[in-house]
Amino acid sequence: DQQVKQNSPSLSVQEGRISILNCDYTNSMFDYFLWYKKYPAEGPTFLISISSIKDKNEDGRFTVFLNKSAKHLSLHIVPSQPGDSAVYFCAARAGTASKLTFGTGTRLQVTL
Amino acid sequence: EAGVAQSPRYKIIEKRQSVAFWCNPISGHATLYWYQQILGQGPKLLIQFQNNGVVDDSQLPKDRFSAERLKGVDSTLKIQPAKLEDSAVYLCASSRGINTGELFFGEGSRLTVL
Repeated sequence: DQQVKQNSPSLSVQEGRISILNCDYTNSMFDYFLWYKKYPAEGPTFLISISSIKDKNEDGRFTVFLNKSAKHLSLHIVPSQPGDSAVYFCAARAGTASKLTFGTGTRLQVTL
Repeated sequence: EAGVAQSPRYKIIEKRQSVAFWCNPISGHATLYWYQQILGQGPKLLIQFQNNGVVDDSQLPKDRFSAERLKGVDSTLKIQPAKLEDSAVYLCASSRGINTGELFFGEGSRLTVL
């Protein structure tokens, strides 16, 4: 049972344009959401997070939007840069002591 | 600040053999996690330690997988005997506390079972 879904395995965006990565979840108990970025042969690194009490969180070029009624979150990267090319994982947690559940990832390719 | 250290980076074994992976978390991080990432999938939690106690091992195949964190610092994950479906990257992560959402991951140990 895949509770966190990233339906787009890959995404290609031109440098300077906006990248939008999507994530859907099914567990209504999830109250904290995170995005991780992973380069080849490296472990995932934390990018940005959002609590369920908010609907937007911004950090520089990265903004995460949460739509609780639709059980959907998205990561916006503006402007996209070639160094943003990586696999992005969405993750969610139900309560402060519970484990993170990860999606399957979206591979972002930012082209020149 | 040194990151999460893992070894070995790569391991190739035949099915039914055994293998062990080692992890040293970031200094001062009380919580340590082992994740399994199969190709094309997201990381799946195998076991979570708080200091040297197990918090969650509900998805650990206990008939073949074992993990320990004896002194509350570094940890070892063992597979015995290995199966073909155990081919994956084994990621170790740590966090300051059990309630902290942000995990710091190591580079992973890639296991290939032939």
